[in-house]
Amino acid sequence: DTAVSQTPKYLVTQMGNDKSIKCEQNLGHDTMYWYKQDSKKFLKIMFSYNNKELIINETVPNRFSPKSPDKAHLNLHINSLELGDSAVYFCASSRRLYGYTFGSGTRLTVV
Amino acid sequence: GQQVMQIPQYQHVQEGEDFTTYCNSSTTLSNIQWYKQRPGGHPVFLIQLVKSGEVKKQKRLTFQFGEAKKNSSLHITATQTTDVGTYFCAVEYGNKLVFGAGTILRVKS
Repeated sequence: DTAVSQTPKYLVTQMGNDKSIKCEQNLGHDTMYWYKQDSKKFLKIMFSYNNKELIINETVPNRFSPKSPDKAHLNLHINSLELGDSAVYFCASSRRLYGYTFGSGTRLTVV
Repeated sequence: GQQVMQIPQYQHVQEGEDFTTYCNSSTTLSNIQWYKQRPGGHPVFLIQLVKSGEVKKQKRLTFQFGEAKKNSSLHITATQTTDVGTYFCAVEYGNKLVFGAGTILRVKS
């Protein structure tokens, strides 16, 4: 029944590793997003996809690569992880003129 | 720029006291949204305001959109411990939702 589900919930990994976070929504929304929340709770958009097409790519290092195989899925792959990548990553989806629905988040810790 | 200022950063209240958080923009906004994030949780959509001077209520929560559509507020009457969390305003700029810095609310029982 979960509207936006993302996995894994927790991810602890060493510097230099590559990791992926998966996201799926069953709301039929056309647009999906990745947000990063830092330790001060600040939420910043990273990417936005509309019907599998990238429409927003904020100034994110190109070690971060989103992929949307279909409009219900948006995955995030991160190469060569750095300490500063530690944060909570939220997937979200929306339809026009309505609020966003967020997933439960993935807490990434790079050691 | 594409930002909205939110104050205060923190508020610590006694249970039963009221709470208000404010968002301000230097530009006219088409709409503003409010979200609540419980500790350890994810942002949850509360409401969207669209019209100038709009006031909406959800039980003890009152949301206002300024006449000039440059500011908004969320007021909680008689806070309860279940109100704890971070409250964010958010504004759509084109295809993206930009969040204010949030106000962390703590309630002492």
